[in-house]
This record gives sequence, structure tokens and C-alpha cells, in this order.
Amino acid sequence: DVKVTQSSRYLVKRTGEKVFLECVQDMDHENMFWYRQDPGLGLRLIYFSYDVKMKEKGDIPEGYSVSREKKERFSLILESASTNQTSMYLCASSPRETQYFGPGTRLLVL
Amino acid sequence: AQSVTQLGSHVSVSEGALVLLRCNYSSSVPPYLFWYVQYPNQGLQLLLKYTSAATLVKGINGFEAEFKKSETSFHLTKPSAHMSDAAEYFCAVQLRGSQGNLIFGKGTKLSVKP
Repeated sequence: DVKVTQSSRYLVKRTGEKVFLECVQDMDHENMFWYRQDPGLGLRLIYFSYDVKMKEKGDIPEGYSVSREKKERFSLILESASTNQTSMYLCASSPRETQYFGPGTRLLVL
Repeated sequence: AQSVTQLGSHVSVSEGALVLLRCNYSSSVPPYLFWYVQYPNQGLQLLLKYTSAATLVKGINGFEAEFKKSETSFHLTKPSAHMSDAAEYFCAVQLRGSQGNLIFGKGTKLSVKP
């Protein structure tokens, strides 16, 4: 079974803090993705990576950055958290067309 | 540009009734198509996918979907709803040959009444 894990299920941070969300997959997948999910908006792609040290912007990259130093790990960074980044963050990985999702991190920024 | 439209943000059915969740896509070429399910406070789980084999695709938990190119549709069905089917369902499209980027619909929340 494919396993995608995310470092935290719930996080509470203060405005202006630097926030790290970690995602790890154990299936040697090339591609990894970060989405945010908001009610009524579905999932929106923030960043994705198709190889170590490679990254591409998705639809809503503003206010976020990513890091992929190892194939199995893809980190999402909020440089200076703001209240409008309160959301559910989902990580996914894929070998080809099918994406496999982690359980999500629900982030609250106060 | 690709897009996905899910008709109905909320659908309610009685236990034992037919489930029909609608999905229409827009794409210049036939894409790959997916249905995912999300239970409360969980990630997304793949229900089924269409990648150009049979147009009627069977998935997990008794769900199936039919790809209709002429209607640009990929509706999800289940003959008899169960209480455990209550969840949010997402349709997604992916351009063939892309790096795996999925375009998601906004989701349909399914409620099942006893």
C-alpha cells in the first residue's frame, strides 16, 4: 500500500510565524504535490515537484515556498503566516497519473 | 484550458436509493478522469479512474463511472446507497502527458438518510 504521511494533523500558529509542513512518501514516487482545500473551492494546487530539487508553481503559490532535498520528502513553507492561510493542507505523491494523498494538516493561523 | 464542473454541491439520498453524482469536464483532448472520496477529517482516497481502457469503470465500494466523450461527462453512480457512503466526492481531470497535475471540481457532499 502507498503511504503518504504528513507531520501534523492539526497546527495552531500565530500571524507572522514561519510554518513548516512536512510530507513523506514511502513508494519512491517521482512527483509530489501540495494543495490547499477550502470549503466551496475544492482543492487548489500550491506547488509541485517532479524530481529532487525541482519545483513548479501551481495555481496559488503566493505566500508559500517549497523544498525537496530528498525524493521521499516535500516540505511546504509559509514564510510569514497570515490568517488567510488558515486552511486544510493536503500532500500527494504519484508515480504517473494517479495521485495518492496524505491525511491532511488542518492549520489555524491566529 | 481544462476545467471540471460538479453539478450540485450537496446531494441527499435515502439508504438503498441510487446515487448519481455528476461531473462534466472541459478539455481539448480526452483526458484522464478520476473520482476521489473524502471522509470527514481525512485525506482523499481514490475511488476509480479512467485512462482510456473500458469506458465503464468500476471502483471500490460498489461505485462505477462511465466516460461519455460525446457528453464530456464522467458521472459517478452506485445502485444502492449505504450510510457509510456519506462523504465528499471530488471529480478530477488530468491532461494526458502532463506531469500529473490534477484539476479538481469543487466537490459534492453526499448525505444518506436512514
